[in-house]
Amino acid sequence: DQQVKQNSPSLSVQEGRISILNCDYTNSMFDYFLWYKKYPAEGPTFLISISSIKDKNEDGRFTVFLNKSAKHLSLHIVPSQPGDSAVYFCAAYLNTGFQKLVFGTGTRLLVSP
Amino acid sequence: DGGITQSPKYLFRKEGQNVTLSCEQNLNHDAMYWYRQDPGQGLRLIYYSQIVNDFQKGDIAEGYSVSREKKESFPLTVTSAQKNPTAFYLCASSMVAGENQPQHFGDGTRLSIL
Repeated sequence: DQQVKQNSPSLSVQEGRISILNCDYTNSMFDYFLWYKKYPAEGPTFLISISSIKDKNEDGRFTVFLNKSAKHLSLHIVPSQPGDSAVYFCAAYLNTGFQKLVFGTGTRLLVSP
Repeated sequence: DGGITQSPKYLFRKEGQNVTLSCEQNLNHDAMYWYRQDPGQGLRLIYYSQIVNDFQKGDIAEGYSVSREKKESFPLTVTSAQKNPTAFYLCASSMVAGENQPQHFGDGTRLSIL
């Protein structure tokens, strides 16, 4: 049962444009959400996070939006750069006594010059 | 430079053989984790440790074992009981378990069967 879903396996965007990566979750007990970026043969790198008490968090070119009623979050990258080309994972903390981090399956972003 | 070091980067296992993947961190983090990544899938939790000398099974612990004798080290052994060990293995750490801390990852070990 995939509790964190990234339904788009890939996304292609032109340099300078906005990239929007989407993530849906099924469990309302998730209370903290994170985005990671991963290059091939490397570990994921933490990008940005958002608490369930907020609906937006911004860090430079990266903004995460959270819509709790829709159980949906999105990562906006503006402007997109070729170096942003990577796989992006959405993840969420589930409080089960131990705070378990649940990952989506990832979206591969390709930013072309 | 603080970080998480995983070794080796590539590892090959023969049938019936146990292999151990190393994970060392110098971030002074209390919590450490092992994940497995298969193609087209998200990361799945194998084992985690919230403190030295303590560890717990994650979602897919069968065929794996760990130890946490030192704060800096959390080695993972893939035993012969793990029938499908070919995957990308990632070690992570966080300052404290259970406080919405971002987990920081090593660069992974790719394990293949000979």
